[in-house]
Amino acid sequence: ETGVTQTPRHLVMGMTNKKSLKCEQHLGHNAMYWYKQSAKKPLELMFVYSLEERVENNSVPSRFSPECPNSSHLFLHLHTLQPEDSALYLCASSQEYSPYNEQFFGPGTRLTVL
Amino acid sequence: AQSVAQPEDQVNVAEGNPLTVKCTYSVSGNPYLFWYVQYPNRGLQFLLKYITGDNLVKGSYGFEAEFNKSQTSFHLKKPSALVSDSALYFCAVRDSTNAGKSTFGDGTTLTVKP
Repeated sequence: ETGVTQTPRHLVMGMTNKKSLKCEQHLGHNAMYWYKQSAKKPLELMFVYSLEERVENNSVPSRFSPECPNSSHLFLHLHTLQPEDSALYLCASSQEYSPYNEQFFGPGTRLTVL
Repeated sequence: AQSVAQPEDQVNVAEGNPLTVKCTYSVSGNPYLFWYVQYPNRGLQFLLKYITGDNLVKGSYGFEAEFNKSQTSFHLKKPSALVSDSALYFCAVRDSTNAGKSTFGDGTTLTVKP
């Protein structure tokens, strides 16, 4: 596979469930990102990892927990979510965590919280 | 602080006509500007970027954008629109003082009618 892949593509979960989103990049990049995209709202940056260390945490509730075990993989662990957390969750990567590098996005995971 | 504005939620053009999607920005340091396109049920796809140098940058699929420092704008243009250009377009800015953190506009939906 090439580019940035995300699994699952669709996820429906109850408020008491625990689930994880997975992202994998096949581009040899050093930085990875999680974004939340809701209807009628701009993209919200959630977390950034550079060389497997978290460098940005944008006041995200603790019910979202990221994990970056290596430079190719990024996870978002979900627990006790709220209906307002329903959104498209996008993973992205870039060559470096720098102002110059464009980001490559995965197709997203469409999350619905019941 | 950095911010970006896309003043039009929707742009409609006829196929074969030129198109413009507007973007203005605000940064403390030097701006690094990006355009992305999102097709339905897909992640964002990089189109072009301005880092330094020539104010007119050319990108994928015949798109170009002009950096205007005095007007703090970075409008996306294409001389002749195609129906297949219909999508959601995002402008993004990074500040030279803010590492790799991107701020995205709200997005502009472009509809090209045959």
